[in-house]
Amino acid sequence: GDSVTQMEGPVTLSEEAFLTINCTYTATGYPSLFWYVQYPGEGLQLLLKATKADDKGSNKGFEATYRKETTSFHLEKGSVQVSDSAVYFCVEFDYKLSFGAGTTVTVRA
Amino acid sequence: DAGVTQSPTHLIKTRGQHVTLRCSPISGHKSVSWYQQVLGQGPQFIFQYYEKEERGRGNFPDRFSARQFPNYSSELNVNALLLGDSALYLCASSLETLNRANYGYTFGSGTRLTVV
Repeated sequence: GDSVTQMEGPVTLSEEAFLTINCTYTATGYPSLFWYVQYPGEGLQLLLKATKADDKGSNKGFEATYRKETTSFHLEKGSVQVSDSAVYFCVEFDYKLSFGAGTTVTVRA
Repeated sequence: DAGVTQSPTHLIKTRGQHVTLRCSPISGHKSVSWYQQVLGQGPQFIFQYYEKEERGRGNFPDRFSARQFPNYSSELNVNALLLGDSALYLCASSLETLNRANYGYTFGSGTRLTVV
């Protein structure tokens, strides 16, 4: 079964809105955690990462904090732009990458 | 520097045929992994190779096989193709050792396989 569960989409937002995509993982121990993004017509890109508990990954205004106590790695951005429209994947690494199902985000002008 | 390169970019095959997909990792990366991404879903792990040895295998049938060459490039082979094998096949390379992924994986643009 899936080892990463993320919020189902699609999510549609207006520009400058706040974005949260929930993600929980199941791997035991201390897996590395990532958010990958897939922009329309482009390949998968690493957005941010965290490799140990309480680490906060950040990039392009996005943030996610590795919460061991809740096995979560929620993605947040305070003010989204149209260019943030993409599919976002929560990923855990435990000898292999395990992807969530992806959340499609559309930002309207 | 070149990123992860995959070939071909698109491929159309008929059921029952065999296909070989190729991947060249970033220079210096010794770990190569293969993933299958069906439309609308997240990528699913197929194989991982590290230092030319298979180190992990996902839940895929024996029709799927792979290998890694001395220059760390890799091939994914699929025999007896089924319609359900239609997907984007992604190759990813990593600088890391087998059990760590501190810097993430770099993905190629993929090979779009269509089975008709």
